[in-house]
Amino acid sequence: NAGVTQTPKFRVLKTGQSMTLLCAQDMNHEYMYWYRQDPGMGLRLIHYSVGEGTTAKGEVPDGYNVSRLKKQNFLLGLESAAPSQTSVYFCASSPRPLAKNIQYFGAGTRLSVL
Amino acid sequence: EDKVVQSPLSLVVHEGDTVTLNCSYEVTNFRSLLWYKQEKKAPTFLFMLTSSGIEKKSGRLSSILDKKELFSILNITATQTGDSAVYLCAKGHSSNTGKLIFGQGTTLQVKP
Repeated sequence: NAGVTQTPKFRVLKTGQSMTLLCAQDMNHEYMYWYRQDPGMGLRLIHYSVGEGTTAKGEVPDGYNVSRLKKQNFLLGLESAAPSQTSVYFCASSPRPLAKNIQYFGAGTRLSVL
Repeated sequence: EDKVVQSPLSLVVHEGDTVTLNCSYEVTNFRSLLWYKQEKKAPTFLFMLTSSGIEKKSGRLSSILDKKELFSILNITATQTGDSAVYLCAKGHSSNTGKLIFGQGTTLQVKP
């Protein structure tokens, strides 16, 4: 049971470098989300998608871009990484949010920007 | 403003103790209240609450929602070292986005 899979699991970047985090889900969920988790701040929503081809900004979108070209994949991009983007990134997916808000999470990507 | 506040932020107990974790939220855009457990990696779902006064129970864990006073509690009885984790409370947004607004989390450490 794969569920939500994130790649890579760890990454170290230098300031100014770019990278893409991949999230893949095999549960046929319509909705997908990207969060960042920093000490003492819980999970904060970066961007989300309510369906293939659609994306929207969350609480902390600056410095990130996303794409949802296929229903099962949600990509998070950092065009020019900054030390403030050092964090743990979680992807989540959700079925039928009109009835429930239950989200299922991936194992996370730990990113360090030097 | 969408805000979720958890207390305490951290807690240390001994095996066998009972703990109560608190979560308060703002009423705007409320659909549901969720609890997650996070052990190092992915948060895993525990409970979803939508109605006041109805206790949800799973083994030694239980949770209840008070929509009048705008809070929820998560109880863990007879704690075990395996209960050590960060417990996250989240408010389910009422929009058609399925968004969750998370609290800061409560770090629970259970000592043998």
